[in-house]
Amino acid sequence: DAKTTQPPSMDCAEGRAANLPCNHSTISGNEYVYWYRQIHSQGPQYIIHGLKNNETNEMASLIITEDRKSSTLILPHATLRDTAVYYCIARSYSNNDMRFGAGTRLTVKP
Amino acid sequence: EAGVAQSPRYKIIEKRQSVAFWCNPISGHATLYWYQQILGQGPKLLIQFQNNGVVDDSQLPKDRFSAERLKGVDSTLKIQPAKLEDSAVYLCASSEGQGAQQPQHFGDGTRLSIL
Repeated sequence: DAKTTQPPSMDCAEGRAANLPCNHSTISGNEYVYWYRQIHSQGPQYIIHGLKNNETNEMASLIITEDRKSSTLILPHATLRDTAVYYCIARSYSNNDMRFGAGTRLTVKP
Repeated sequence: EAGVAQSPRYKIIEKRQSVAFWCNPISGHATLYWYQQILGQGPKLLIQFQNNGVVDDSQLPKDRFSAERLKGVDSTLKIQPAKLEDSAVYLCASSEGQGAQQPQHFGDGTRLSIL
């Protein structure tokens, strides 16, 4: 699976959009980009995933660049409850292992 | 829908004792995973089941860890004997099936402390 690189921490003002970047420059054509988040003392929560196209659901939007070497998770209106560690994972079609890195610690501030 | 259920939430034991964790996946999910998350790190896969069969246990320390999913629904993970380095959160996840397009859904884990 491709390695992903994320900034260790980010801050965001409450009510503003949070844009979390992820670099996956070695991603292969059959690898999906997954985003999870983990709030203290809870298990990882699935947010969204995509292969080539941009995706949107009730939680977030996922923007994947045309060359697929990077992506951005967008939380459109961040709340205090969005404070968490966000993990970007490149997951091979043939590999069920979710290989979590260190993630980005997002702090939403009032 | 109900999420992945795990118990107990916390467990404290002394080294060399044995311990077991229980997981009930989301109804209808054929694939079940056990992960180990050491403090400050991301989860690491220990074992994957498809129904009641083992798909991948390459990262399971088989000299002390064992897992089963006898009827293809609930699963138990056991450690015997426990070592200090086994202190971690043990997470269970499930998905509808295998394949990278199927999201895994996690429970809140069992936090194990070894004294």
